[in-house]
Amino acid sequence: DVKVTQSSRYLVKRTGEKVFLECVQDMDHENMFWYRQDPGLGLRLIYFSYDVKMKEKGDIPEGYSVSREKKERFSLILESASTNQTSMYLCASSFGGGLFTDTQYFGPGTRLTVL
Amino acid sequence: KNQVEQSPQSLIILEGKNCTLQCNYTVSPFSNLRWYKQDTGRGPVSLTIMTFSENTKSNGRYTATLDADTKQSSLHITASQLSDSASYICVVSESGGGNKLTFGTGTQLKVEL
Repeated sequence: DVKVTQSSRYLVKRTGEKVFLECVQDMDHENMFWYRQDPGLGLRLIYFSYDVKMKEKGDIPEGYSVSREKKERFSLILESASTNQTSMYLCASSFGGGLFTDTQYFGPGTRLTVL
Repeated sequence: KNQVEQSPQSLIILEGKNCTLQCNYTVSPFSNLRWYKQDTGRGPVSLTIMTFSENTKSNGRYTATLDADTKQSSLHITASQLSDSASYICVVSESGGGNKLTFGTGTQLKVEL
């Protein structure tokens, strides 16, 4: 079974702090994704990566950056956290080929609260 | 703008009953449609995937249908169980390259005794 793990289930940070969210997948997947999920809005794509050191902006990249130094690990960085970044953050991975047509496997999510 | 709309927004049914969730989309060009199940506090898990030529796909007690002409899909749950309580999310993929998955906002299903 594919396993996608996220470093924290719950996180509380203060406005202005730098926040790191880590995601690791164990199935040698090429593609990795970061989403945020808010009530009534569905999942929205923040950034994605199709290879080591490669990254592309999704629909809502403002205020976020990412890092993919190893194939299995994809990090989301909030340079200066703000209250409007309070959300559930979901990481996903997929095998390769069809970047947005292959099945994505999701981690359990990190619920981030910014005070 | 591509959209995926799901109905109802929420639903409560008694254990053992059947239910049907709806998904209408405007995504074009269409590649495939997936239904995901998301338990509370968990990430979504794929239930079914259907391409343009497929009308029906089953996964145990879950049966998804697709009408590509009317751009509608449904997810039918048979003989519901308490463990079916979750959010069900319809996701449509766009073909032709580029970045596109469009997510619905989900139907929150609660199964009660």
